[in-house]
Amino acid sequence: KAGVTQTPRYLIKTRGQQVTLSCSPISGHRSVSWYQQTPGQGLQFLFEYFSETQRNKGNFPGRFSGRQFSNSRSEMNVSTLELGDSALYLCASSLNGQGWNEQFFGPGTRLTVL
Amino acid sequence: AQTVTQSQPEMSVQEAETVTLSCTYDTSESNYYLFWYKQPPSRQMILVIRQEAYKQQNATENRFSVNFQKAAKSFSLKISDSQLGDTAMYFCAFMKRETSGSRLTFGEGTQLTVNP
Repeated sequence: KAGVTQTPRYLIKTRGQQVTLSCSPISGHRSVSWYQQTPGQGLQFLFEYFSETQRNKGNFPGRFSGRQFSNSRSEMNVSTLELGDSALYLCASSLNGQGWNEQFFGPGTRLTVL
Repeated sequence: AQTVTQSQPEMSVQEAETVTLSCTYDTSESNYYLFWYKQPPSRQMILVIRQEAYKQQNATENRFSVNFQKAAKSFSLKISDSQLGDTAMYFCAFMKRETSGSRLTFGEGTQLTVNP
């Protein structure tokens, strides 16, 4: 079974631009969660999607948004990029997002904002 | 809100020895899950072990075991017979047991280095 894939793996953008990151979950998994990892703030939860609906949201500004498609693939979008958005963005998939189902992480997308 | 604290930013151990990583958490929830994740230099996060709070028995996965002290809100990870491949950042994480939705709250991480 293929693991969680994220594209692109690396991105360089400039302040004010917007960016879209993609995550393909493991086949059969319906829950996709997104996390931001930075040296200063550590790992922080962005949001979770299940069956095309946002089910949980972390404490991030509205510039961060996401969506999930009928095939469970998910995208997250960051508009009006700021220097502080430079981070590793991880997505994780699980069968239904419940604690007893393991969350499998992708390799991440490294976003650099100049 | 839940918080997870890992007080050891870095640790090192000799190959074949045993090491214990500490984690404490704060929550008012009674039903929850605790996890240890490993993030090697390649960056792919991997689940090491998980513990359901309502289970008193400590979880064990091969060389990895936990010491779960619910009253003290402590969840330490013991790695026995350490191997070079255990070198990684280790994160302790918390998840509420909910019927809908999930979110992991992570600690700051502990960088473990296994020396030959």
